[in-house]
Amino acid sequence: QQQVKQSPQSLIVQKGGISIINCAYENTAFDYFPWYQQFPGKGPALLIAIRPDVSEKKEGRFTISFNKSAKQFSLHIMDSQPGDSATYFCAASKETSGSRLTFGEGTQLTVNP
Amino acid sequence: ETGVTQTPRHLVMGMTNKKSLKCEQHLGHNAMYWYKQSAKKPLELMFVYNFKEQTENNSVPSRFSPECPNSSHLFLHLHTLQPEDSALYLCASSQEGRGSNEQFFGPGTRLTVL
Repeated sequence: QQQVKQSPQSLIVQKGGISIINCAYENTAFDYFPWYQQFPGKGPALLIAIRPDVSEKKEGRFTISFNKSAKQFSLHIMDSQPGDSATYFCAASKETSGSRLTFGEGTQLTVNP
Repeated sequence: ETGVTQTPRHLVMGMTNKKSLKCEQHLGHNAMYWYKQSAKKPLELMFVYNFKEQTENNSVPSRFSPECPNSSHLFLHLHTLQPEDSALYLCASSQEGRGSNEQFFGPGTRLTVL
């Protein structure tokens, strides 16, 4: 059973555009929602994360929007750059399970120059 | 670098071979993980070790055998694998109990089973 569903599977954006990746979760016990970024030949690395006590978190060009009632959260990349081209994974975990993360399927983002 | 190293980076093996993957973390963490990453699929958590004790085995076939001799090293022993086991195997570590859920990943071992 896939507890975190991610879309789209792939995304192509022009330089300077906004990239939006969406995730939906099922388990209401989840209380930590990170996004990981993975470049070819590298392991995933934490990009930004949010807890459900806030509806939005922004770090530079990256913003997480969180909708608790809809059980959805999304990653917005403003002013997308070719260097942002990577695979992005959303994930979720619950405090009682420590760092156990349930990952989405991943989105391959390509930002064209 | 993330502080988590994996060797080898690439491995090609036949179905009858025995090989081992190695992971080492230099972060002082107390939990380590093995994940399988296949194309267009979510990362699949295979094993979790907390303080060297295996705390999770997500129905992984016995042809995969983990070993955690200390909190800094993690191995994945491979035996009589199948072609569908070809994937990127990722190791990660974290510090349980510090209030942070962040996992730090190694670069992975690209495994091809012929």
